[in-house]
Amino acid sequence: RKEVEQDPGPFNVPEGATVAFNCTYSNSASQSFFWYRQDCRKEPKLLMSVYSSGNEDGRFTAQLNRASQYISLLIRDSKLSDSATYLCVVNTQYYTGTASKLTFGTGTRLQVTL
Amino acid sequence: GAGVSQSPSNKVTEKGKDVELRCDPISGHTALYWYRQSLGQGLEFLIYFQGNSAPDKSGLPSDRFSAERTGGSVSTLTIQRTQQEDSAVYLCASSLVQRGVPLFSGANVLTFGAGSRLTVL
Repeated sequence: RKEVEQDPGPFNVPEGATVAFNCTYSNSASQSFFWYRQDCRKEPKLLMSVYSSGNEDGRFTAQLNRASQYISLLIRDSKLSDSATYLCVVNTQYYTGTASKLTFGTGTRLQVTL
Repeated sequence: GAGVSQSPSNKVTEKGKDVELRCDPISGHTALYWYRQSLGQGLEFLIYFQGNSAPDKSGLPSDRFSAERTGGSVSTLTIQRTQQEDSAVYLCASSLVQRGVPLFSGANVLTFGAGSRLTVL
């Protein structure tokens, strides 16, 4: 079983739609969670961190469910510019200071259409 | 520099040759990561450097792969006797590590370079 699993998609949605992605992780010791965005043939960039209580950044909402070991990303009012691959990222560290690696999922591709 | 710089941006080599990929992290960033991404795949962790600590090499796929970081700044990833399955985009990232600060804080965000696309014929 992969450490971080995502539905590869693609999710094809019309502009203005609401879309949600889930990501499951296998290591119950995971402490930190993130969503990164990767445009086609570009490097990944941080979209948002995921806090235990859930957090919102404009049209984007991230949720964490520790009991079921999954995180989610909700995008409201989708824009054409949201078309990208969304990578789920987990880490077993909470604080920095020790060697740690971020484990990336394979990503979920979103295509927003007119 | 302003961002993470990687070179070469593209490298085509013949099977069996050695290649070196270079990463110049953001000035002052103490943590440096190497990942690789094969076509249509996620990012695969290779190696991680932080300050003077021993690097985490747990992701290196074979002993043909090695990396070093000189003077706590520039890093070189070396692949010896390249194979076709080594073809991928090799991504370097750096972050400013602040001890005792939660990973999800903005200060510890990974900034990636544009990658080095390696093609082994």
